[in-house]
Amino acid sequence: DTEVTQTPKHLVMGMTNKKSLKCEQHMGHRAMYWYKQKAKKPPELMFVYSYEKLSINESVPSRFSPECPNSSLLNLHLHALQPEDSALYLCASSQDRRNTGELFFGEGSRLTVL
Amino acid sequence: GQNIDQPTEMTATEGAIVQINCTYQTSGFNGLFWYQQHAGEAPTFLSYNVLDGLEEKGRFSSFLSRSKGYSYLLLKELQMKDSASYLCAVRGNFGNEKLTFGTGTRLTIIP
Repeated sequence: DTEVTQTPKHLVMGMTNKKSLKCEQHMGHRAMYWYKQKAKKPPELMFVYSYEKLSINESVPSRFSPECPNSSLLNLHLHALQPEDSALYLCASSQDRRNTGELFFGEGSRLTVL
Repeated sequence: GQNIDQPTEMTATEGAIVQINCTYQTSGFNGLFWYQQHAGEAPTFLSYNVLDGLEEKGRFSSFLSRSKGYSYLLLKELQMKDSASYLCAVRGNFGNEKLTFGTGTRLTIIP
């Protein structure tokens, strides 16, 4: 069983919708990540939070808005997405940012934008 | 920037040994990591190397040569459940520790 929980597992939304992806971990990790993965491609880093502060934004379009309400939770707010944003969105955590290689991934939220 | 190369696909026989290579050219290096990803599932951490040499972990071993920008993952006594994608990933230097993944190698195990 994964110790990083993501909801929803599947999401279908229109280009004018606003939705959110949620991620939760209870391992006491202080770094959390959002990755995007297209089919047959490797995960691509989007955002890194370290001690609840945004530390890396990989030039992600503003239609993706991350939020870290506390050390256990990470959200990704979605607004006015494009069909090419359809992908698997993976949340991950690590003990802290220096241990960023040993990531624990959630099972992902599969997003389809119509 | 980071450039990480792996073979796209490999096939191996159940019970045999397979070696998956990874070469990298990066602007900073602070560790090389291997992940396994079954189709439709999340990646799971397998091993990591930060110094040159071989790290053994059960049926899996990983090797690193920093001077050559080269690593391999060795899988022994292959089982059908080892059919998966294997992702090589490089971590940047302190201050830029993000993990960049290679394109992955899809390994198929045949009976």
